[in-house]
Amino acid sequence: GDSVTQMEGPVTLSEEAFLTINCTYTATGYPSLFWYVQYPGEGLQLLLKATKADDKGSNKGFEATYRKETTSFHLEKGSVQVSDSAVYFCALMAPEGYGGSQGNLIFGKGTKLSVKP
Amino acid sequence: DAGVTQSPTHLIKTRGQHVTLRCSPISGHKSVSWYQQVLGQGPQFIFQYYEKEERGRGNFPDRFSARQFPNYSSELNVNALLLGDSALYLCASSGLRQGDRNEQFFGPGTRLTVL
Repeated sequence: GDSVTQMEGPVTLSEEAFLTINCTYTATGYPSLFWYVQYPGEGLQLLLKATKADDKGSNKGFEATYRKETTSFHLEKGSVQVSDSAVYFCALMAPEGYGGSQGNLIFGKGTKLSVKP
Repeated sequence: DAGVTQSPTHLIKTRGQHVTLRCSPISGHKSVSWYQQVLGQGPQFIFQYYEKEERGRGNFPDRFSARQFPNYSSELNVNALLLGDSALYLCASSGLRQGDRNEQFFGPGTRLTVL
């Protein structure tokens, strides 16, 4: 079945450091890919998404590129801030007409990021 | 516009009891999905409803049930609560247009603690 694997945390960085959180997936067809962020005590917020191969999603300085050949969707940011401290989830959704996770999100286990001043 | 709302925010129950969680989607959204997030894990899909009909069900026991009302709000019911049902329950709504269909907007969640 469809699945998402993301690097385990926690990840601790100093402010202004470069961030990479790896995410790979297993799915039939061309799923849509997402990064969600969860701040302490809150629900999930969509950070960025990509719906087809080679698409780059970007938001708030974060970006991720849909790589079909490596089935990856790694999250990057050039200079993290203390306010980026949160848990980041990679997720996929199968496209219409496919089975598996069609219509619902399959999440990775999450990666906790802590940014120190 | 208001986002997805959920009630209650927190809930404490004892084993064997039942619980009802409520969700109101974003205005104009007809699809609601429910997820369970156990501490330290990613959310797990429970149900999806669209136009008041069940569209998908995750790998959860029959103790879990849900429904969607004519105004598109939804309830998640869990019977015979177990300690392992303690989790954050998230509701998400989706829009109508093709480009929006696969983008889900999450509510703040209901934190359920089973003692």
